[in-house]
Amino acid sequence: QSALTQPASVSGSPGQSITISCTGTSSDVGGYNYVSWYQHHPGKAPKLMISEVNNRPSGVSNRFSGSKSGNTASLTISGLQAEDETDYYCSSYTSSSTYVFGTGTKVTVL
Amino acid sequence: QVQLQESGPGLVKPSGTLSLTCTVSGDSFRSTDWWSWVRQSPGKGLEWIGEIHRSGGSNYNPSLKSRLTISVDKSKNQISLKLSSVTAADTAIYYCARNDYHRVDFWGQGTPVTVSS
Repeated sequence: QSALTQPASVSGSPGQSITISCTGTSSDVGGYNYVSWYQHHPGKAPKLMISEVNNRPSGVSNRFSGSKSGNTASLTISGLQAEDETDYYCSSYTSSSTYVFGTGTKVTVL
Repeated sequence: QVQLQESGPGLVKPSGTLSLTCTVSGDSFRSTDWWSWVRQSPGKGLEWIGEIHRSGGSNYNPSLKSRLTISVDKSKNQISLKLSSVTAADTAIYYCARNDYHRVDFWGQGTPVTVSS
């Protein structure tokens, strides 16, 4: 299975909104509403930010939101803050009953 | 609250078998269906390794399937991973995690494993 495609890096100024894309196929992202997004500070455990395309777990800031169109899912971070600077990964369930992660995106706050 | 703790050798010789254990504390072990393993190699992204159901059923990453065994010991609240014929490419931080209805919501802190002679 091939990794989902994410941009290597996305940047924005404090207060701005940024969007990270996650492109797969009809066998994963496009076929199921089981897309999750994780925030990962290197050396720490990843943190679930969004599940099932657009569900935000309790405790996650409402500045984070998710969506999906066709084979591409997206994570939007609104009101960008310095603490948001780190790596983000999408993940999807697949038609093979497995999961696949995205290639990862480094978010930089300018 | 669910707590997961990975343990195992930090150094494995090439062609050997990597063996890790994940101990789950809290009351969720009996009520959680699926437990997963994920890894991150140096300078690379997250890679899904596989998952196991508390009944013993499993799903594996196709690229690792021929070398991989994931098992569960309900009496000890533990999930285990065994990866055989390892090479330097298997050097990574290995995480165990809880998969709650297609979302990984609790993660261990991860344990680093280096494959080297």
